[in-house]
Amino acid sequence: SQTIHQWPATLVQPVGSPLSLECTVEGTSNPNLYWYRQAAGRGLQLLFYSVGIGQISSEVPQNLSASRPQDRQFILSSKKLLLSDSGFYLCAWSVEVNQPQHFGDGTRLSIL
Amino acid sequence: DQQVKQNSPSLSVQEGRISILNCDYTNSMFDYFLWYKKYPAEGPTFLISISSIKDKNEDGRFTVFLNKSAKHLSLHIVPSQPGDSAVYFCAASVNTPLVFGKGTRLSVIA
Repeated sequence: SQTIHQWPATLVQPVGSPLSLECTVEGTSNPNLYWYRQAAGRGLQLLFYSVGIGQISSEVPQNLSASRPQDRQFILSSKKLLLSDSGFYLCAWSVEVNQPQHFGDGTRLSIL
Repeated sequence: DQQVKQNSPSLSVQEGRISILNCDYTNSMFDYFLWYKKYPAEGPTFLISISSIKDKNEDGRFTVFLNKSAKHLSLHIVPSQPGDSAVYFCAASVNTPLVFGKGTRLSVIA
């Protein structure tokens, strides 16, 4: 069966520090991969998605970036975090774009 | 412009009664709709989906209804249980990544 791993579960970072969140999927090949953010009291905002290695689509311009160095690995990064980057970050995968997405347990990011 | 709207931020229901969660969308091209359930500090869990060629889909206590002419879908939970207390998101797609609503917090009171 397929599983998705996302870490760390919680992270506290100072403003201006770099960020790297990692997500890996097991049990499937060539998944579609997604990064979402849920800000406090808000819905799920799609940040990036990828349909293959090295293919990244950005939905919202910001100081975050994403990379897919391997088929089942998706990384969310920032060179300099802002206070507004605080939130709950979720990674997800799907077989196809028009199929249910399956989410990891998320990373709670707090910027101080 | 929000393409998927959940206009009720919260809903309280007595245990054993029916819970009805509503969702409206603006993009008439959407052809695939889903409902997710989310507990605090966890990722959303897929519940049920429906394609635009149907108007109803059932899975146990969960039924999703789609009214294409009104651009409206709803999730019925019968009977409601305390463990159903969570935030419910509807989502829609047309060969694109899912577009999510902002969620409705359901509280099932024992």
